[in-house]
Amino acid sequence: QKEVEQDPGPLSVPEGAIVSLNCTYSNSAFQYFMWYRQYSRKGPELLMYTYSSGNKEDGRFTAQVDKSSKYISLFIRDSQPSDSATYLCAMSAVGNTGKLIFGQGTTLQVKP
Amino acid sequence: EADIYQTPRYLVIGTGKKITLECSQTMGHDKMYWYQQDPGMELHLIHYSYGVNSTEKGDLSSESTVSRIRTEHFPLTLESARPSHTSQYLCASSERTGGEKLFFGSGTQLSVL
Repeated sequence: QKEVEQDPGPLSVPEGAIVSLNCTYSNSAFQYFMWYRQYSRKGPELLMYTYSSGNKEDGRFTAQVDKSSKYISLFIRDSQPSDSATYLCAMSAVGNTGKLIFGQGTTLQVKP
Repeated sequence: EADIYQTPRYLVIGTGKKITLECSQTMGHDKMYWYQQDPGMELHLIHYSYGVNSTEKGDLSSESTVSRIRTEHFPLTLESARPSHTSQYLCASSERTGGEKLFFGSGTQLSVL
């Protein structure tokens, strides 16, 4: 069983929609939770970073972590065609700096 | 914007050849990493370094080797390329503290014929 599960999609939504992306995990030692965005033929780009539980908001993006359920989410409000990309969740435990465990990635397409 | 560079972007090479994938960063980061990514699959850590003359193998077994003789440079070498090495190789770096925030290069897409 994978430590991190993420539905690969693809997910297709109309412009302006609210998008919800999710990951579940099994390792209770994970304390750092990240979302990366990866455009085609590019490297991943850090989008959101959260330590432990709670919510974090940055513009149109909101990241949520529910450690009791081992479930993390990324919400995108007012989605734009430029948001079309693959979104990767990643996480690590304390002391495992940089040794991230990634989800498979969800491919999102936002149609004009 | 992260300043981490990988060359070449694309490499097509025959079986048995020796190859070196270059990675350089100008941010002064102590920590550097190599991840491997196949289409539609997770990224897997194959090598990491926490500083000069420090290298470790990652969770995914790899026949490649790395070196770190300068802070800014972290090349990956395959002594004898095989078709099973065909993949995308992503280099990343992070600061000594807050090291979970990785900055990635654009990757090298390697195809071994």
